[in-house]
Amino acid sequence: EAGVAQSPRYKIIEKRQSVAFWCNPISGHATLYWYQQILGQGPKLLIQFQNNGVVDDSQLPKDRFSAERLKGVDSTLKIQPAKLEDSAVYLCASSLDFYVGGGVPPAQYFGPGTRLTVL
Amino acid sequence: AQSVTQLDSHVSVSEGTPVLLRCNYSSSYSPSLFWYVQHPNKGLQLLLKYTSAATLVKGINGFEAEFKKSETSFHLTKPSAHMSDAAEYFCVVSRAGTALIFGKGTTLSVSS
Repeated sequence: EAGVAQSPRYKIIEKRQSVAFWCNPISGHATLYWYQQILGQGPKLLIQFQNNGVVDDSQLPKDRFSAERLKGVDSTLKIQPAKLEDSAVYLCASSLDFYVGGGVPPAQYFGPGTRLTVL
Repeated sequence: AQSVTQLDSHVSVSEGTPVLLRCNYSSSYSPSLFWYVQHPNKGLQLLLKYTSAATLVKGINGFEAEFKKSETSFHLTKPSAHMSDAAEYFCVVSRAGTALIFGKGTTLSVSS
């Protein structure tokens, strides 16, 4: 079974430029997540999709970050314009379904991440 | 609100000695708890998870964790460290309707 795919793996841009990251989840996984991992910290959820609808984007800086999941499969995360503090690894994860409580939470599978450096 | 606190930012052990990575959690009700491992330049991998079925949870690569409600702890242990265990370890909590909430991580170093 293929894992979560992300591209590019590395990206270097200057501040105020735009950048986009792509994620292809595991086939059949309804739920997709984008996390931001700043150096020395644990990943932090940016946005969560269930199929092509947004479940949680409360921690997404909406003035500069946007994300979409057209057709409920692939997803794109965009930053426009980038700031120095956006330097981080951006992780995409997917799970079979949405956790509504009780029983066993669905396992989340992570991609290798995209390392963004903003100069 | 759900949260986890990893008590050590860095743990160093010798190969063949026991590993203990400490984690305390805060939750208003019974949480689901996880440990993830992140090797350099690799994706996060699930080590084990606690979902109230059993307090002692066995994971991959010889790791296990014990859920102690009275101490609000979920420490990760391994009887004998290998060089390949050197990585970043994250204690994680999840609740219904949200994604994972990660601790700040513990870097495990293993020396020969």
